[in-house]
Amino acid sequence: AQSVSQHNHHVILSEAASLELGCNYSYGGTVNLFWYVQYPGQHLQLLLKYFSGDPLVKGIKGFEAEFIKSKFSFNLRKPSVQWSDTAEYFCADSPSGNTPLVFGKGTRLSVIA
Amino acid sequence: NAGVTQTPKFQVLKTGQSMTLQCAQDMNHNSMYWYRQDPGMGLRLIYYSASEGTTDKGEVPNGYNVSRLNKREFSLRLESAAPSQTSVYFCATRTTVNTEAFFGQGTRLTVV
Repeated sequence: AQSVSQHNHHVILSEAASLELGCNYSYGGTVNLFWYVQYPGQHLQLLLKYFSGDPLVKGIKGFEAEFIKSKFSFNLRKPSVQWSDTAEYFCADSPSGNTPLVFGKGTRLSVIA
Repeated sequence: NAGVTQTPKFQVLKTGQSMTLQCAQDMNHNSMYWYRQDPGMGLRLIYYSASEGTTDKGEVPNGYNVSRLNKREFSLRLESAAPSQTSVYFCATRTTVNTEAFFGQGTRLTVV
Protein backbone atom coordinates (compact mmCIF):
# COMPACT_ATOMS: atom_id res chain seq x y z
CA ALA A 1 0.00 0.00 0.00
CA GLN A 2 1.04 3.53 -0.68
CA SER A 3 2.72 5.22 2.27
CA VAL A 4 4.51 8.42 3.21
CA SER A 5 7.14 8.59 5.93
CA GLN A 6 8.20 11.65 7.85
CA HIS A 7 11.10 10.80 10.08
CA ASN A 8 11.22 13.91 12.24
CA HIS A 9 8.39 14.06 14.73
CA HIS A 10 9.34 17.25 16.51
CA VAL A 11 12.01 19.72 15.45
CA ILE A 12 13.09 22.66 17.59
CA LEU A 13 15.10 25.43 15.96
CA SER A 14 16.25 28.89 16.84
CA GLU A 15 15.19 31.79 14.67
CA ALA A 16 17.40 32.20 11.58
CA ALA A 17 18.45 28.54 11.64
CA SER A 18 18.09 26.49 8.47
CA LEU A 19 15.38 23.87 8.18
CA GLU A 20 15.20 20.55 6.42
CA LEU A 21 12.31 18.15 6.99
CA GLY A 22 12.50 14.68 5.54
CA CYS A 23 9.80 12.94 3.51
CA ASN A 24 9.93 9.59 1.76
CA TYR A 25 7.16 8.11 -0.35
CA SER A 26 6.68 4.49 -1.31
CA TYR A 27 5.02 4.54 -4.70
CA GLY A 28 7.43 4.35 -7.62
CA GLY A 29 5.19 5.39 -10.47
CA THR A 30 3.64 8.75 -11.23
CA VAL A 31 4.11 11.14 -8.35
CA ASN A 32 1.99 13.99 -7.10
CA LEU A 33 3.84 15.26 -4.04
CA PHE A 34 2.76 17.96 -1.64
CA TRP A 35 3.83 19.76 1.48
CA TYR A 36 1.09 21.25 3.63
CA VAL A 37 1.39 23.43 6.73
CA GLN A 38 -1.04 23.60 9.64
CA TYR A 39 -0.73 26.56 11.99
CA PRO A 40 -2.09 26.04 15.50
CA GLY A 41 -5.86 25.70 15.46
CA GLN A 42 -6.13 26.08 11.71
CA HIS A 43 -6.73 23.90 8.67
CA LEU A 44 -4.13 22.61 6.23
CA GLN A 45 -2.72 25.02 3.68
CA LEU A 46 -0.61 24.12 0.68
CA LEU A 47 3.05 25.15 0.80
CA LEU A 48 4.16 23.64 -2.48
CA LYS A 49 3.56 20.79 -4.90
CA TYR A 50 5.45 18.72 -7.43
CA PHE A 51 4.05 16.82 -10.39
CA SER A 52 6.86 16.84 -12.95
CA GLY A 53 9.66 18.98 -14.38
CA ASP A 54 12.28 20.85 -12.39
CA PRO A 55 12.87 18.76 -9.26
CA LEU A 56 13.54 21.85 -7.17
CA VAL A 57 10.18 23.37 -6.33
CA LYS A 58 9.66 26.76 -4.75
CA GLY A 59 6.62 27.44 -2.63
CA ILE A 60 5.16 30.16 -0.49
CA LYS A 61 6.79 31.85 2.51
CA GLY A 62 10.33 31.04 1.30
CA PHE A 63 9.96 27.25 1.42
CA GLU A 64 11.33 24.94 -1.22
CA ALA A 65 11.50 21.18 -1.73
CA GLU A 66 13.67 18.87 -3.79
CA PHE A 67 12.34 15.76 -5.50
CA ILE A 68 14.96 13.00 -5.69
CA LYS A 69 13.50 10.07 -7.58
CA SER A 70 16.34 7.67 -6.81
CA LYS A 71 15.83 8.20 -3.09
CA PHE A 72 12.00 8.37 -3.18
CA SER A 73 12.41 11.61 -1.26
CA PHE A 74 10.79 15.04 -1.25
CA ASN A 75 12.46 17.01 1.53
CA LEU A 76 11.28 20.46 2.58
CA ARG A 77 13.82 23.22 3.18
CA LYS A 78 13.97 26.82 4.30
CA PRO A 79 17.23 28.74 4.63
CA SER A 80 16.22 30.82 7.65
CA VAL A 81 13.18 30.08 9.82
CA GLN A 82 11.10 32.64 11.67
CA TRP A 83 9.05 32.34 14.83
CA SER A 84 5.93 32.48 12.63
CA ASP A 85 6.96 29.20 10.98
CA THR A 86 5.99 27.36 14.17
CA ALA A 87 3.44 24.86 12.88
CA GLU A 88 2.93 21.25 11.90
CA TYR A 89 4.13 20.20 8.45
CA PHE A 90 2.68 17.34 6.45
CA CYS A 91 4.05 15.61 3.38
CA ALA A 92 1.53 13.91 1.10
CA ASP A 93 1.51 11.79 -2.05
CA SER A 94 -1.09 10.87 -4.64
CA PRO A 95 -0.13 8.59 -7.54
CA SER A 96 -2.75 10.08 -9.83
CA GLY A 97 -5.14 12.97 -9.97
CA ASN A 98 -8.07 10.88 -8.84
CA THR A 99 -6.34 9.05 -5.99
CA PRO A 100 -6.82 10.37 -2.46
CA LEU A 101 -3.80 12.03 -0.88
CA VAL A 102 -1.92 9.86 1.59
CA PHE A 103 -0.32 11.86 4.38
CA GLY A 104 2.70 11.33 6.53
CA LYS A 105 2.31 11.58 10.30
CA GLY A 106 3.54 15.14 10.33
CA THR A 107 6.47 17.02 11.80
CA ARG A 108 5.92 19.60 14.48
CA LEU A 109 8.27 22.55 14.14
CA SER A 110 8.89 24.85 17.08
CA VAL A 111 10.91 27.99 16.41
CA ILE A 112 12.29 29.73 19.47
CA ALA A 113 13.66 33.21 19.77
CA ASN B 1 -16.23 32.48 -2.39
CA ALA B 2 -16.32 30.30 0.72
CA GLY B 3 -14.29 27.34 -0.63
CA VAL B 4 -14.90 24.35 1.64
CA THR B 5 -17.31 24.86 4.53
CA GLN B 6 -17.72 22.43 7.40
CA THR B 7 -20.41 22.46 10.06
CA PRO B 8 -20.37 22.34 12.98
CA LYS B 9 -16.96 23.59 14.11
CA PHE B 10 -17.20 21.99 17.54
CA GLN B 11 -19.37 19.20 18.93
CA VAL B 12 -19.54 17.17 22.11
CA LEU B 13 -21.43 13.89 21.99
CA LYS B 14 -22.24 11.25 24.54
CA THR B 15 -21.28 7.68 23.77
CA GLY B 16 -23.96 6.09 21.60
CA GLN B 17 -25.33 9.33 20.19
CA SER B 18 -25.43 9.93 16.47
CA MET B 19 -24.60 12.95 14.41
CA THR B 20 -23.82 14.10 10.90
CA LEU B 21 -20.91 16.29 9.91
CA GLN B 22 -21.66 18.47 6.93
CA CYS B 23 -19.31 19.57 4.17
CA ALA B 24 -20.15 21.85 1.27
CA GLN B 25 -17.90 23.22 -1.46
CA ASP B 26 -18.38 25.91 -4.05
CA MET B 27 -15.25 25.09 -6.04
CA ASN B 28 -16.99 22.80 -8.55
CA HIS B 29 -14.60 19.98 -7.67
CA ASN B 30 -15.51 16.40 -8.45
CA SER B 31 -13.69 14.63 -5.63
CA MET B 32 -14.42 15.03 -1.94
CA TYR B 33 -12.77 13.43 1.08
CA TRP B 34 -13.19 12.98 4.80
CA TYR B 35 -10.07 12.70 6.95
CA ARG B 36 -9.58 12.46 10.67
CA GLN B 37 -6.58 13.96 12.42
CA ASP B 38 -5.24 12.52 15.67
CA PRO B 39 -2.05 13.52 17.50
CA GLY B 40 0.97 11.66 16.11
CA MET B 41 -1.13 9.92 13.45
CA GLY B 42 -1.29 12.54 10.74
CA LEU B 43 -4.40 12.61 8.57
CA ARG B 44 -6.12 9.34 7.85
CA LEU B 45 -8.69 8.90 5.13
CA ILE B 46 -12.12 7.77 6.29
CA TYR B 47 -14.16 7.83 3.08
CA TYR B 48 -13.98 9.56 -0.25
CA SER B 49 -16.13 10.30 -3.25
CA ALA B 50 -14.37 10.46 -6.59
CA SER B 51 -17.46 11.89 -8.26
CA GLU B 52 -21.12 12.55 -7.59
CA GLY B 53 -22.90 9.27 -6.95
CA THR B 54 -19.85 7.26 -5.88
CA THR B 55 -18.27 6.66 -2.49
CA ASP B 56 -15.39 4.45 -1.37
CA LYS B 57 -13.84 3.40 1.90
CA GLY B 58 -10.54 4.78 2.99
CA GLU B 59 -8.08 3.62 5.60
CA VAL B 60 -10.34 3.94 8.69
CA PRO B 61 -14.02 3.60 7.65
CA ASN B 62 -15.37 1.56 10.57
CA GLY B 63 -18.07 3.36 12.54
CA TYR B 64 -18.79 5.89 9.79
CA ASN B 65 -21.09 6.28 6.82
CA VAL B 66 -21.11 8.90 4.10
CA SER B 67 -23.50 10.42 1.62
CA ARG B 68 -22.59 12.35 -1.51
CA LEU B 69 -25.81 14.29 -1.70
CA ASN B 70 -24.86 16.18 -4.86
CA LYS B 71 -21.73 17.60 -6.38
CA ARG B 72 -21.44 20.25 -3.65
CA GLU B 73 -22.16 18.28 -0.49
CA PHE B 74 -20.54 15.29 1.21
CA SER B 75 -21.69 14.35 4.70
CA LEU B 76 -20.14 12.06 7.29
CA ARG B 77 -22.38 10.24 9.76
CA LEU B 78 -21.54 8.64 13.07
CA GLU B 79 -24.39 6.27 13.89
CA SER B 80 -23.28 5.41 17.42
CA ALA B 81 -20.43 7.57 18.60
CA ALA B 82 -17.58 6.04 20.58
CA PRO B 83 -14.79 7.74 22.56
CA SER B 84 -12.31 6.44 19.96
CA GLN B 85 -13.97 8.75 17.45
CA THR B 86 -12.85 11.80 19.38
CA SER B 87 -10.83 13.62 16.75
CA VAL B 88 -10.61 16.57 14.42
CA TYR B 89 -12.39 15.89 11.15
CA PHE B 90 -11.42 17.57 7.91
CA CYS B 91 -13.28 17.64 4.65
CA ALA B 92 -11.27 18.22 1.48
CA THR B 93 -11.98 18.61 -2.21
CA ARG B 94 -10.00 18.19 -5.39
CA THR B 95 -10.52 18.24 -9.12
CA THR B 96 -9.85 15.07 -11.10
CA VAL B 97 -6.78 16.49 -12.80
CA ASN B 98 -3.49 16.61 -10.96
CA THR B 99 -3.95 19.32 -8.39
CA GLU B 100 -3.79 19.80 -4.67
CA ALA B 101 -6.61 19.18 -2.21
CA PHE B 102 -8.34 22.10 -0.51
CA PHE B 103 -9.37 21.72 3.09
CA GLY B 104 -12.19 22.95 5.25
CA GLN B 105 -11.62 24.49 8.67
CA GLY B 106 -12.29 21.25 10.50
CA THR B 107 -14.76 19.92 13.08
CA ARG B 108 -13.46 19.18 16.55
CA LEU B 109 -15.51 16.29 17.93
CA THR B 110 -15.34 15.04 21.48
CA VAL B 111 -17.17 11.87 22.51
CA VAL B 112 -17.56 11.41 26.24
